Amino acid sequence: EVQLLDSGGGLIQPGGSLRLSCSASGFTFSVSAMSWVRQAPGRGLEWVATFGGDGWSTYYADSVKGRFTISRDNSEETLYLQMNSLRVEDTAVYYCSRGGAEYRAFDGWGLGTLVTVSS
Amino acid sequence: IRMTQSPSSLSASIGDRVTITCRASERIYTHLAWYQQKPGKAPTVLISEIYILQSGVPSRFSGGGAGPDFTLTISGLRSEDVATYYCQQYHGYPLTFGGGTKVEVE
Repeated sequence: EVQLLDSGGGLIQPGGSLRLSCSASGFTFSVSAMSWVRQAPGRGLEWVATFGGDGWSTYYADSVKGRFTISRDNSEETLYLQMNSLRVEDTAVYYCSRGGAEYRAFDGWGLGTLVTVSS
Repeated sequence: IRMTQSPSSLSASIGDRVTITCRASERIYTHLAWYQQKPGKAPTVLISEIYILQSGVPSRFSGGGAGPDFTLTISGLRSEDVATYYCQQYHGYPLTFGGGTKVEVE
């Protein structure tokens, strides 16, 4: 069973940085594409970034390109999202998910971690 | 690729057949999924590859269509189906979701 535990959210001022983590278990993490998907308060789902199961491909939404970096540590079975130059509009619940590359849907989701960007 | 989902909300009675539609702005082949999100919870995948039901999903849920229009049907609405439903294409980047359909029980 796919289990994902995302963490690292919190209150941060505009322009600040935050790193989210996602601890995975129950599947072969090293060959799985992994993604971050976010949901602003009262809004729909928005894909943020994907790290391919090939170990090197990365993809980003235009809204975060150049500010966010997705990475992974296969030995620790952990996915990360480094978020820099945060903006008020980045406020959202961020979900870690399995899938998003190699023509795979998001077939596993974390509980989500809330990031609030506010002064 | 823009995913246009309709309606944005609906209210139906227990036992009703409910259909949600999603239209893709470009060809996405079979790379279409449906998700259910209950209030305050993370989404879960119901269907992938247009019509393949995920393990553990009740058989009253079904997917169909062949592009550009796709459908999610609930055959016999139950109270536990109250949720927001999203379609999503995973054919090309940026990956995109429909705007969501909020399903309520009358």
